Amino acid sequence: QVQLQESGPGLVRPSETLSLTCTVSGGSVSSSGYYWAWIRQPPGKGLEWIGTIYHTGSTFYNSSLKSRVTISVDTSKSQFSLKLSSVTAADTAIYFCARLEVTISSTDWGQGSLVTVSS
Amino acid sequence: DIHLTQSPSFLSASVGDRVTLTCRASQAISNYLAWLQQKPGKAPKLLIFAASSLQSGVPSRFSGSGSGTEFTLTISSLQPEDFATYYCQYLHTYPPRLTFGGGTKVELK
Repeated sequence: QVQLQESGPGLVRPSETLSLTCTVSGGSVSSSGYYWAWIRQPPGKGLEWIGTIYHTGSTFYNSSLKSRVTISVDTSKSQFSLKLSSVTAADTAIYFCARLEVTISSTDWGQGSLVTVSS
Repeated sequence: DIHLTQSPSFLSASVGDRVTLTCRASQAISNYLAWLQQKPGKAPKLLIFAASSLQSGVPSRFSGSGSGTEFTLTISSLQPEDFATYYCQYLHTYPPRLTFGGGTKVELK
């Protein structure tokens, strides 16, 4: 059973860069057939896809965030990471990492990490 | 871009009720639809994938149906632990991006 765990600072200053890491256990980020994604959820609101990465390093981003987002993968550590630059209060959210199995529309989720943008 | 519209946004129901939630896609998406359950302070949990396949460990009172643009999630007999928000989710195969519906909050009447 794959498990995903987000980690990173819970508080980020406005205009700075948000950085989170997702550690994968019980499976490998190098497994073929799976993609790895970041999703966020502002307090009390719905879910927003941020971007997806494959173990080869191919990335796909939400067009509304594309200019500020970088997702990378470290197969040696079985981790993938999110960087979101120039953050504002609107980026305050719970950030989830997830494993995607596109052939069956299946997703496995981490528990989430609350990131607050505030000075 | 494909949009998912869920209805209703809120639903008040009692334990034992049969409830049906609907998700409509702006374009046909075959059966690439999943249903998620989210409780306050928790991560979403996959209930149904590929429109009608029950995720392992999920009670059989949950069922999904539909294809193309209309999908439903049915809870045959609502239990106390089922009061939560339900999201439909479209996972596009390539590029692999996710789209979510706005959610249906199921509340105790």
